[in-house]
Order: sequence, then structure tokens, then C-alpha cells
Amino acid sequence: DQQVKQNSPSLSVQEGRISILNCDYTNSMFDYFLWYKKYPAEGPTFLISISSIKDKNEDGRFTVFLNKSAKHLSLHIVPSQPGDSAVYFCAARYNNNDMRFGAGTRLTVKP
Amino acid sequence: KAGVTQTPRYLIKTRGQQVTLSCSPISGHRSVSWYQQTPGQGLQFLFEYFSETQRNKGNFPGRFSGRQFSNSRSEMNVSTLELGDSALYLCASSLVQTRTAEAFFGQGTRLTVV
Repeated sequence: DQQVKQNSPSLSVQEGRISILNCDYTNSMFDYFLWYKKYPAEGPTFLISISSIKDKNEDGRFTVFLNKSAKHLSLHIVPSQPGDSAVYFCAARYNNNDMRFGAGTRLTVKP
Repeated sequence: KAGVTQTPRYLIKTRGQQVTLSCSPISGHRSVSWYQQTPGQGLQFLFEYFSETQRNKGNFPGRFSGRQFSNSRSEMNVSTLELGDSALYLCASSLVQTRTAEAFFGQGTRLTVV
């Protein structure tokens, strides 16, 4: 039962350009959304989050957009840097602490 | 301050055996969650413990169990191992048990079942 979906397994962008990672969810009970970044041989690290009462949250080069009616969120990275190359996971919560994750999108930023 | 520590880092087991994985959360954190990561499936929630009690459980068979001790350290046990249990098992700790609490992950335990 995949309640959170990341339909693009991979994305490749040029350094300096915008990276847009997408995520869809099916459970309308979700009211808090997070993005995690994962490098090989490391655990995921928290990147940015957004509450369902907002439609945008910005933190430096990272912006998360939430479209509740479409049950869709996206992560924008501007400008993209080679160090951003990693697997990005979208996650959602509605019940305390457990998170439902998507399958991840592998971002490659080319110099 | 030390991060989330998971032991062992790597493990090879035979089908039918059982295995116990350990997670030490960040000092002061009382919530510990476990996730299974497999290629193409992302991270799937196993269970969450808070104050030594299981608070939430994902959609995994009863072969997967866990517990939390009074010092918040947690263990996860898988009995009667199957080949499909081969995965990276990740533990995450949070200060409190709220939706907005940031979860910090350990490096994981890579389990291979042969």
C-alpha cells in the first residue's frame, strides 16, 4: 500500500539549473510533509518540511511547495550543485511520529 | 553530541535463523522508529517505540518485533529469516512523539540473508 509515491526514480540536471523533485500522496489524512536526503552508506538526513496549513516553505536554496487539492508536493533546488547529488525521499505524517516514505528519486547534478 | 548508533553495521544470516539489531538513540531522545529500505520500495515503516511502549506498527508480519528499554535504546528482532528480509534497516530517533518532530537517522544495519 504505497501511500506516498515518487514516480521518477532518477533525475539529472546541469549545475546551476533548477532541480524539481515531485511527490504524490493518496491519504488525505497526511498533514505534515518532509524531505530527506540520503548519501550512500549514510542514513537519511532531514532537509525541509511543510505543514498542510501552508503551501510553500523556503530554506535557502530549497523550497517545498504543497498542493493539497492535487495531493502533490515538490522540492525545488535552485541553483543545483554537484554536492546535491543524492537520493531524495519524500515523507508524510498524520499520526504522531511514524513517517510514510516514497521510493526515492536519485538526483545527479552534472558539473 | 553523539548521533544515532546502530549495531552491527553489516550482518549475514542464513534462512530460518533469527537476528537482533540494536539502536542507541541520541541522548535525551525518547522516540525510536524502525524502517526497512529495499531497492524500489523506499523506506517502509516497521514500528515506533516511545517510553518503552510500541505506539505505532507498520504492515509487517509478526516475525518482525521490537522493544525499547528504559534508557530508550531499542532492539529489533526478526525470526525465521527469509531471503526477502535482506535490506538496510534504519533506526530514527526523535526528542518527542509529535508530527513535527525532526527524526534523526542512524547509518543502518545492512542485513543479507543467504
